Amino acid sequence: DTEVTQTPKHLVMGMTNKKSLKCEQHMGHRAMYWYKQKAKKPPELMFVYSYEKLSINESVPSRFSPECPNSSLLNLHLHALQPEDSALYLCASSQGTGPTGELFFGEGSRLTVL
Amino acid sequence: GENVEQHPSTLSVQEGDSAVIKCTYSDSASNYFPWYKQELGKRPQLIIDIRSNVGEKKDQRIAVTLNKTAKHFSLHITETQPEDSAVYFCAPSLNSGYSTLTFGKGTMLLVSP
Repeated sequence: DTEVTQTPKHLVMGMTNKKSLKCEQHMGHRAMYWYKQKAKKPPELMFVYSYEKLSINESVPSRFSPECPNSSLLNLHLHALQPEDSALYLCASSQGTGPTGELFFGEGSRLTVL
Repeated sequence: GENVEQHPSTLSVQEGDSAVIKCTYSDSASNYFPWYKQELGKRPQLIIDIRSNVGEKKDQRIAVTLNKTAKHFSLHITETQPEDSAVYFCAPSLNSGYSTLTFGKGTMLLVSP
């Protein structure tokens, strides 16, 4: 299984809602990532978890709250988002050990904030 | 942090032509140099990568060349096909346990039949 699975594929939420994005991988990878991608832009790193510990937080606003319940799962909790947060949210994983290698991306969750 | 520049931003070629995309980076400590392809509405996928102890790597129609002294690396696609149409991102990084990729702005490659 070389898949990173993200749910939901699409999400529409109001600015007062609380929702979560979910990501799962069963490749035994020890590093997991959240990226944000706006239209016609490159992916921007938000968070990195290494061995289930938050290793990098790229100055992301606190309305985005990541969680790594175990080595296979990664969540992104959303609360009080702004319309400018509308984007494609990509989860990725990598081996996380030894030399840096391939990032395996999920298909993404397309978020619209009304 | 790493400053990455990618050129050109758009590249249009005829089927069968070659395409070259160049990526310039600022951090001399970078030692891992991947290229990702993202088709419209799809996820980014690694197509080729190179590490700093190698100058060139080929995989069928695609190749990557690295010039560490000048701090740039390039993606070469020969005999382009319409299915090569996509956005290509370079993402130089340090060779650590987890990746801290800084993606270039991307190059949209359009291959006309």
